[in-house]
Amino acid sequence: DAGVIQSPRHEVTEMGQEVTLRCKPISGHDYLFWYRQTMMRGLELLIYFNNNVPIDDSGMPEDRFSAKMPNASFSTLKIQPSEPRDSAVYFCASSFTSPGDEQFFGPGTRLTVL
Amino acid sequence: QKEVEQNSGPLSVPEGAIASLNCTYSDRGSQSFFWYRQYSGKSPELIMFIYSNGDKEDGRFTAQLNKASQYVSLLIRDSQPSDSATYLCAVQPSGNTPLVFGKGTRLSVIA
Repeated sequence: DAGVIQSPRHEVTEMGQEVTLRCKPISGHDYLFWYRQTMMRGLELLIYFNNNVPIDDSGMPEDRFSAKMPNASFSTLKIQPSEPRDSAVYFCASSFTSPGDEQFFGPGTRLTVL
Repeated sequence: QKEVEQNSGPLSVPEGAIASLNCTYSDRGSQSFFWYRQYSGKSPELIMFIYSNGDKEDGRFTAQLNKASQYVSLLIRDSQPSDSATYLCAVQPSGNTPLVFGKGTRLSVIA
């Protein structure tokens, strides 16, 4: 398996624009997680899915953030409108059968909002 | 609030020395404990996990767990410059819940 795939790897956009981040989890993994990482706050869990169903989105910072998982092999994280304080590295991760299993991380998307 | 605490560092050790990284957690019912390594600009990767009290060894790495003290540590023997990275402690709290990550300790191994 190719591991968790994320795109794009880098995104530079201007404040107010819509940003969509994409993730393909490892095949057969039931859980998918979206994280944001900054120097100040570390790795923050934004939302996670079990079998394509959102389980806990309490980490999503604002209504500007939304996430979907239309099928087992694809998820998106959307920010609309984007703001400079959204600049961070966004990671997608997946785990096999439990949210407490080892998580496998994608390479991340480095987002810069000007 | 389930918390995982780590000293942010940087922890500097000379090449060949033992590096000791520590982590404490707040949920006494926590079940599983993981150590991830993250190189600068890269994603976290798992290096060890431990479930039971005591020590678990894998090559140069030893994880130590003390549930009574709510403490987990990672020892790296014969530290190499290639071990220079940020080490994240992750804990699965009680219940069917996701891992909680600490903010990481930055390790610098000086040649």
